[in-house]
Amino acid sequence: GQQVMQIPQYQHVQEGEDFTTYCNSSTTLSNIQWYKQRPGGHPVFLIQLVKSGGVKKQKRLTFQFGEAKKNSSLHITATQTTDVGTYFCAGLRGTASKLTFGTGTRLQVTL
Amino acid sequence: DAGVIQSPRHEVTEMGQEVTLRCKPISGHNSLFWYRQTMMRGLELLIYFNNNVPIDDSGMPEDRFSAKMPNASFSTLKIQPSEPRDSAVYFCASKAVGGNQPQHFGDGTRLSIL
Repeated sequence: GQQVMQIPQYQHVQEGEDFTTYCNSSTTLSNIQWYKQRPGGHPVFLIQLVKSGGVKKQKRLTFQFGEAKKNSSLHITATQTTDVGTYFCAGLRGTASKLTFGTGTRLQVTL
Repeated sequence: DAGVIQSPRHEVTEMGQEVTLRCKPISGHNSLFWYRQTMMRGLELLIYFNNNVPIDDSGMPEDRFSAKMPNASFSTLKIQPSEPRDSAVYFCASKAVGGNQPQHFGDGTRLSIL
């Protein structure tokens, strides 16, 4: 079955440092979505990428979708304590409604 | 607008008991998903419905688990009999028509089976 892996599993940074999480799918995706889950909370949709090689930005967050549409990354510039949480990528194949969530990267930010 | 509503928020029960989790999707959404989240296995899709019809239940762990969606505004996930290994956070999510639409998650039900 389809697998979506993320690395690293966990990262601890000091506030102001940059952070990147990488997402790799075993199959080609039609699009990829990113979600953030705060501790004790539920996943919340951040963004979706559809185009091969696409790049999107949300303030300090930069999202990329690989040329082969099998990998993606999320980069946070100058992390803040409000960035703490687990970041999930989730891939969609074809026109199906079913998302396959990645294994997640937990980010801890300290002062 | 109201989001996805799940109940109960927390449930603690003894093994062997029946557990029923409830979900009210966002009005107008036509797809509903049940997930289970644990530290060991991450976020797993159990089952999803399109227009109240179960489409993919391949993630349902075993016959002790069942899910229904009798109408567009209500779904249940039932575990009977429950076992300690079923302890997890169960999320319900819904989305609007179209593969590119994001999923909206409820606050989850934290289930503990003693």
